[in-house]
Amino acid sequence: EDQVTQSPEALRLQEGESSSLNCSYTVSGLRGLFWYRQDPGKGPEFLFTLYSAGEEKEKERLKATLTKKESFLHITAPKPEDSATYLCAGGGSQGNLIFGKGTKLSVKP
Amino acid sequence: KAGVTQTPRYLIKTRGQQVTLSCSPISGHRSVSWYQQTPGQGLQFLFEYFSETQRNKGNFPGRFSGRQFSNSRSEMNVSTLELGDSALYLCASSSQRQPYEQYFGPGTRLTVT
Repeated sequence: EDQVTQSPEALRLQEGESSSLNCSYTVSGLRGLFWYRQDPGKGPEFLFTLYSAGEEKEKERLKATLTKKESFLHITAPKPEDSATYLCAGGGSQGNLIFGKGTKLSVKP
Repeated sequence: KAGVTQTPRYLIKTRGQQVTLSCSPISGHRSVSWYQQTPGQGLQFLFEYFSETQRNKGNFPGRFSGRQFSNSRSEMNVSTLELGDSALYLCASSSQRQPYEQYFGPGTRLTVT
């Protein structure tokens, strides 16, 4: 069965304290690994797509990386406005996205 | 480019009633997918429509249905509502060139009492 697991469930950081979020996946015939950011009461906002092991994508303080079994979202020197739930999803063989349950990130000033 | 829009944003319904939710995709996107998001289960795939045809379907009962119109707008319907149907219903659209790169709307918050 296709599955995406994210850890930790919640992460509290001080402003400027770098860290990483983990996404492990078992998705048959993976068609890409996707990261989204979701703020309370809003729909997920697309961040990155990764297709191949070794691939990296960056946007401001965020960098996403991909291996054959995991993806990491590295957050460098986070700010309070980075507080959100970060969702990871694998592209499944049926054309759908299989989502993890997310990591809720809180960044304190 | 305008994003994905969903109406209504909030709904309160009673058990046994039915409800219809609407989604307008990004201009030029012909694929529309629907997801249910709950605190316990996270985001779960309902179905996907492309060119007015249901292309894929998740593991939800037949009470959940949808359709797509020639202008790519989509609706989903839930009949005989149950308390467990309370959730945020999200619509996402994608292009033919990047079918898995899905862009989400703000969602419809459905509360069943």
